[in-house]
Parts: sequence; C-alpha cells; structure tokens
Amino acid sequence: SQQGEEDPQALSIQEGENATMNCSYKTSINNLQWYRQNSGRGLVHLILIRSNEREKHSGRLRVTLDTSKKSSSLLITASRAADTASYFCATDGSGGYQKVTFGIGTKLQVIP
Amino acid sequence: NAGVTQTPKFQVLKTGQSMTLQCAQDMNHEYMSWYRQDPGMGLRLIHYSVGAGITDQGEVPNGYNVSRSTTEDFPLRLLSAAPSQTSVYFCASKIRGRQGTQYFGPGTRLLVL
Repeated sequence: SQQGEEDPQALSIQEGENATMNCSYKTSINNLQWYRQNSGRGLVHLILIRSNEREKHSGRLRVTLDTSKKSSSLLITASRAADTASYFCATDGSGGYQKVTFGIGTKLQVIP
Repeated sequence: NAGVTQTPKFQVLKTGQSMTLQCAQDMNHEYMSWYRQDPGMGLRLIHYSVGAGITDQGEVPNGYNVSRSTTEDFPLRLLSAAPSQTSVYFCASKIRGRQGTQYFGPGTRLLVL
C-alpha cells in the first residue's frame, strides 16, 4: 500500500483564491516532499521539509509538517491558472534504504 | 546537462513480448528508481537502486527486472508483457542521502495489447 494519501483528491478554485492540500502518511519519515505534475508531463519538485521542521515557505508555497499526526499540508496562495496541475506528496522513510514513496495526488484546477 | 532521459517515449507491445525501458542520468546520482503511474493510483514504486550493483524491490516489482551496472543507467525490463502493465513509467534519480530532491524523466507511455 502507498505511504502517502492526499486529500482532497480533486480541488477546483477561482484564480486568486488559496488552495490547501493535505497529505497523511503511515510510517516514520526523514523528510516529506511535494511535487507538481502538469498533464502528460513528469513530476517537478516543489519543496522539501525535514522531519525536524514544522513549516517551510517557498514563494507562494507554504508547507507544514506535523509528525505527531503524520500529516502535512501544502498551501498555494493567490493561485493562478498556471497552478492547475496534480500535486503529490512523497516521503523518504527513516529506515533501511532511502525508499521514496508517493501518494495518490490531488488534482487542482484553477479557474481563470 | 540533460538530466534524466528515458527512451522510448511511447511503445506498443503485444502480450507476451519483452522489452527494456531505458533510463539514464548525467548528474552522477547514486539513487535511481522506477515508478509506474496509473489513473487513480498515483505513482507506485517498482524497483530502486542506491548505487551501482545494488537494487531492491518497491511496491509492485512483479513482472519487472532491473540491473544497475553503471551509475548512469538503470534499465527496466518487462519479461513477458501483460495488459496490466499498460501504464506510464517514470524514472527518477537523486543524490545519496535523505535530503536530496528527486529528478524525474519525461516518462514512457506503454500500451500492452
């Protein structure tokens, strides 16, 4: 089974609004990463948050991590039509080899 | 610096045929992995490697073989293609260590008839 599960699976908002996506995971992690995938393309890394960090910002992106609840959230502020994409969280496990596993993803549509 | 490259971009196979999906990276990354992406399933890890000569299974390894004879290349072999292997396949690489970002190739779209 997959490590991460994003919520919601689909989200539709108006341009200018904020978009929040959540990710829950099952086992201990070293870090959690968020990726974006435009339709028909490969994944692009957005941001990485370490297990000892609680919040991280990058431009219009804000990521939080709550290791006690095994959850993370990605906030995109002032969304743009170009933000339309699928967003995935990925976790790098704390044991053994550095196996990175992905969630199912959230499909975001930003309506102009 | 080409990053992660994958060939072919698109392939059609008949059930029972075998083929190799190629993946190469020029960033000297130790860690490489293969994922398949199916609608509603997200990305699932097939096999991964933490360095030349070292490979391990991911979530869905059945029907696939990998080898890692060089740091640069990580081919994925389908031994006897089945319709259930119709999917988009992504190769990714990253540096050794737990803080590295994964870089993805553009993907190979595979259709098994």
